[in-house]
Amino acid sequence: DQQVKQNSPSLSVQEGRISILNCDYTNSMFDYFLWYKKYPAEGPTFLISISSIKDKNEDGRFTVFLNKSAKHLSLHIVPSQPGDSAVYFCAASANAGNMLTFGGGTRLMVKP
Amino acid sequence: DAMVIQNPRYQVTQFGKPVTLSCSQTLNHNVMYWYQQKSSQAPKLLFHYYDKDFNNEADTPDNFQSRRPNTSFCFLDIRSPGLGDAAMYLCATSRDLGREETQYFGPGTRLLVL
Repeated sequence: DQQVKQNSPSLSVQEGRISILNCDYTNSMFDYFLWYKKYPAEGPTFLISISSIKDKNEDGRFTVFLNKSAKHLSLHIVPSQPGDSAVYFCAASANAGNMLTFGGGTRLMVKP
Repeated sequence: DAMVIQNPRYQVTQFGKPVTLSCSQTLNHNVMYWYQQKSSQAPKLLFHYYDKDFNNEADTPDNFQSRRPNTSFCFLDIRSPGLGDAAMYLCATSRDLGREETQYFGPGTRLLVL
């Protein structure tokens, strides 16, 4: 059973527009959430994170929102750029530890 | 500049023939992880080392073993690969085990089992 789900396998967005990637989780013990970005032939790289005590974290063009009651988080990219085209993984950890449970990923394509 | 290196990038083995995947790091990190990612699925943690302490995930099959002879290197041994073990294997490192410690990933080794 998947504890972290990314229900959209792919998303296509026009350059300059907002990209919204979604992630749902089922384990109430998760208290830290991360997004990783993966380019082809490379390993995933850390993008942004959020603790469960917050509902928003922003870093430049990237903002992560957390809705604990809905067990849902989202990554907003504004404005989207062609270089943002990649696979985005949502991940979660519990109990202040570093063991990550990943979602299946969403492939983002930003068209010029 | 590569920080987490995985060799080879592609590995072909035969059903039942033992295979070893390797990972090395230049970050001097205490923790090394191995993940398995099957096609279009989520990366799944198999085990991790904190220094020399080995920690197996509960549902990792016995067919998968690991060795960490020193800080820089970690190996994944698959004793008798089955067709279902064909996957991308990702190695990652982190400085420590706290939740805010970033995991750095290698590019992965894609394993094909014939």
